[in-house]
Amino acid sequence: EAGVTQSPTHLIKTRGQQATLRCSPISGHTSVYWYQQALGLGLQFLLWYDEGEERNRGNFPPRFSGRQFPNYSSELNVNALELEDSALYLCASGLQGGSYGYTFGSGTRLTVV
Amino acid sequence: AQSVTQLGSHVSVSEGALVLLRCNYSSSVPPYLFWYVQYPNQGLQLLLKYTTGATLVKGINGFEAEFKKSETSFHLTKPSAHMSDAAEYFCAVRGHTGGFKTIFGAGTRLFVKA
Repeated sequence: EAGVTQSPTHLIKTRGQQATLRCSPISGHTSVYWYQQALGLGLQFLLWYDEGEERNRGNFPPRFSGRQFPNYSSELNVNALELEDSALYLCASGLQGGSYGYTFGSGTRLTVV
Repeated sequence: AQSVTQLGSHVSVSEGALVLLRCNYSSSVPPYLFWYVQYPNQGLQLLLKYTTGATLVKGINGFEAEFKKSETSFHLTKPSAHMSDAAEYFCAVRGHTGGFKTIFGAGTRLFVKA
């Protein structure tokens, strides 16, 4: 069974540009969670999608957005990139709102120069 | 709102020694509790979880954790450390309300000395 897959593995963008990150959950998981792991800041909750709807959002500005497609894959968009957006972006999928834990992908390393 | 605190950003043990990583949570009712491990340049892997029932939870790679409601703690232990255990460990809490988001601790990096 395939795990959670994220693409691309690495992404280098210039300040002010837009970045698009993609995630495919484990088959059968309808929920996708996005986290930002910046150096020294731990994992910060970004977004939760379930059944195509945004269910919860962390304390991030509106330029962080995303969506979930009918096949439950998800996309995270970051507009007007800033240097401090450089981080590892982790996607996870789970069941029952995460009450059984998450399965994480290996992440997308976003570098803003 | 729930929160989670991991005591010690770095822990160093000798190979074969006991591993103890501390985690305390704040929640109005006992939440779901998790420990994850992260190896360099990888995502997080679920080690073990507490939902309900038995308070001593066994996970993968010989790790276990005990839920102590009176102490609001969920410390992770392993009787004998291996070099391969060197990684970063995250405690996480997911409440029963408040949007069901899972909150992660800041992480504890475990070093294992030969």
